[in-house]
Amino acid sequence: QVQLQESGPGLVKPSGTLSLTCGVSGGSISSSNWWGWVRQSPGKGLEWIGEVYHSGSTNYNPSLKSRVTISVDKSRNHFSLKVNSVTAADTAVYYCARWTTTVGFDYWGQGTLVTVSS
Amino acid sequence: DIQMTQSPSSLSASIGDRVTITCRASQSISNFLSWYQQKPGKAPKLLIHLALGLQSGVPSRFSGSGSGTDFTLTISSLQPEDFATYYCQHSYSTPYTFGQGTKLEMK
Repeated sequence: QVQLQESGPGLVKPSGTLSLTCGVSGGSISSSNWWGWVRQSPGKGLEWIGEVYHSGSTNYNPSLKSRVTISVDKSRNHFSLKVNSVTAADTAVYYCARWTTTVGFDYWGQGTLVTVSS
Repeated sequence: DIQMTQSPSSLSASIGDRVTITCRASQSISNFLSWYQQKPGKAPKLLIHLALGLQSGVPSRFSGSGSGTDFTLTISSLQPEDFATYYCQHSYSTPYTFGQGTKLEMK
């Protein structure tokens, strides 16, 4: 059973960088899956942020592309998200998830709330 | 980007009711559509993939249909644990956008 777990600071200052890591257990990050990030602002819907393949290939949401970097560390079986120049609008629960082509996000982390505030 | 529009945004129903939620894509996405269920404070759960494929472990009262631009999620007989928010998501091309959600509440 694949399990994902987000980790990182819960509070980030405005104009700073949001950094999260998603640890993968029960499966290899080098499998034929993409690994993605989704966020949900308080009381709002789901927003697809982007994804990474074990080769390092990435796809990003154009609305965030200039500020987002997603990377993979095969040696640690985890992948990471960085969002630069954050504002209060980046306050959200951030989820990491496994993407299976033609299926969707079939495994999710529990989510972690990141608040942008001084 | 492909926009996904769900209707209704909210829905009140009773136990045993048949419920249908609609999702419309701004362009044809073939059958590259998934449905998720999300309960408060929890991560979304995948219900349906490729428009009509039931994910393993999901009760058979859930079903999906549609292709092209118009899709539906149907719950044949509503159970207490089905009250939640439902989202559609396309997987035709990145960004894989979600619909805005449909909140299913108890009448």
